[in-house]
Amino acid sequence: EDQVTQSPEALRLQEGESSSLNCSYTVSGLRGLFWYRQDPGKGPEFLFTLYSAGEEKEKERLKATLTKKESFLHITAPKPEDSATYLCAVQAGWDTDKLIFGTGTRLQVFP
Amino acid sequence: DTGVSQDPRHKITKRGQNVTFRCDPISEHNRLYWYRQTLGQGPEFLTYFQNEAQLEKSRLLSDRFSAERPKGSFSTLEIQRTEQGDSAMYLCASSEKLLVGGEQFFGPGTRLTVL
Repeated sequence: EDQVTQSPEALRLQEGESSSLNCSYTVSGLRGLFWYRQDPGKGPEFLFTLYSAGEEKEKERLKATLTKKESFLHITAPKPEDSATYLCAVQAGWDTDKLIFGTGTRLQVFP
Repeated sequence: DTGVSQDPRHKITKRGQNVTFRCDPISEHNRLYWYRQTLGQGPEFLTYFQNEAQLEKSRLLSDRFSAERPKGSFSTLEIQRTEQGDSAMYLCASSEKLLVGGEQFFGPGTRLTVL
């Protein structure tokens, strides 16, 4: 069964303290891995798509990387406005477009 | 373009009542998706359309749930005889149909509370 596991469940960082979020996956043929940010009471906001092992993408203080078994979201020198839940999702196989999500990592960055 | 819109944003209903939600996708997107999200969980896939054709429906989806996209533009999700377990955020997303990529962009969601 296709599965996505995110860790840690929650992370508290001081402003400027860099860290990484983990997304491990088990799928029968990865078509794409997606990172989203979700603020309380809002819909997920698209961040990145990764397609193949070794691929990296960056946006401001965020950098996403992909291996054959997991993806990391690195946050460099975070600010309080980076506080949110970060969701990882996979698209598996070529006969479906559905996303399979993990349960997310709740990030709090305090001044 | 204002992104994906959903209406209503909040709905409170009594158990046993029927409810209907609407989703308007990004105008050039031909794929439309429905997900459900409960507190502390990631979104769970319900169903998706390409234009007006419903291509996939989750096996976990009760027969009380039905979705339509009659003209290939907006979509409606109806829940009949609501139960307290239906309380959740219902999310709609849209994307372009691409061989590779086709990122899904989400709307703000409709929060359903069943009393």
